[in-house]
Amino acid sequence: KAGVTQTPRYLIKTRGQQVTLSCSPISGHRSVSWYQQTPGQGLQFLFEYFSETQRNKGNFPGRFSGRQFSNSRSEMNVSTLELGDSALYLCASSTGQAVGYTFGSGTRLTVV
Amino acid sequence: GQQVMQIPQYQHVQEGEDFTTYCNSSTTLSNIQWYKQRPGGHPVFLIQLVKSGEVKKQKRLTFQFGEAKKNSSLHITATQTTDVGTYFCAGPISNFGNEKLTFGTGTRLTIIP
Repeated sequence: KAGVTQTPRYLIKTRGQQVTLSCSPISGHRSVSWYQQTPGQGLQFLFEYFSETQRNKGNFPGRFSGRQFSNSRSEMNVSTLELGDSALYLCASSTGQAVGYTFGSGTRLTVV
Repeated sequence: GQQVMQIPQYQHVQEGEDFTTYCNSSTTLSNIQWYKQRPGGHPVFLIQLVKSGEVKKQKRLTFQFGEAKKNSSLHITATQTTDVGTYFCAGPISNFGNEKLTFGTGTRLTIIP
């Protein structure tokens, strides 16, 4: 079966702009979690969506937001980009329990 | 806040040597999971341990869950170049009633051929 698809793979944005990243989970999976990965901070939890509802949220500013559609695809948005937002953004798909996550290949965001 | 720490942060070993990474949680976990991330790749789920004191093996990899369900270890016997990558432990930690999978800080393994 198809894996988790994240688009785009790479993105370069200018400070102050906004960006939208997309994640299509494994068919049948209703949960999508988003993580930010940086060399210094490791994998930091952003939020989780389950059946179109945000079920959990990490400690990120309000500039980071997300949503999930009825087909379980999810998007995350970062507004007013800062240099420190440069990172690999990973989404993870699961059936709903916090176990056995399948990750996408990630979107590498560079803010200049 | 509730955290999951791993040591060491980095480990360089000669090919054929053994490798161990240790994971410690500030809170009791219902289960512990291990993931491997190859350089330039994304984390891949390896295994889940649920029971106190549980030990599981996958070929040269041995995973242990501590008796108190707050720590875990991953041991690789006779490392090979294919073992290169960062190993993360992860545990579900409750956040206002909903669990989020919290990842450890990771151990990066490099192999000297």
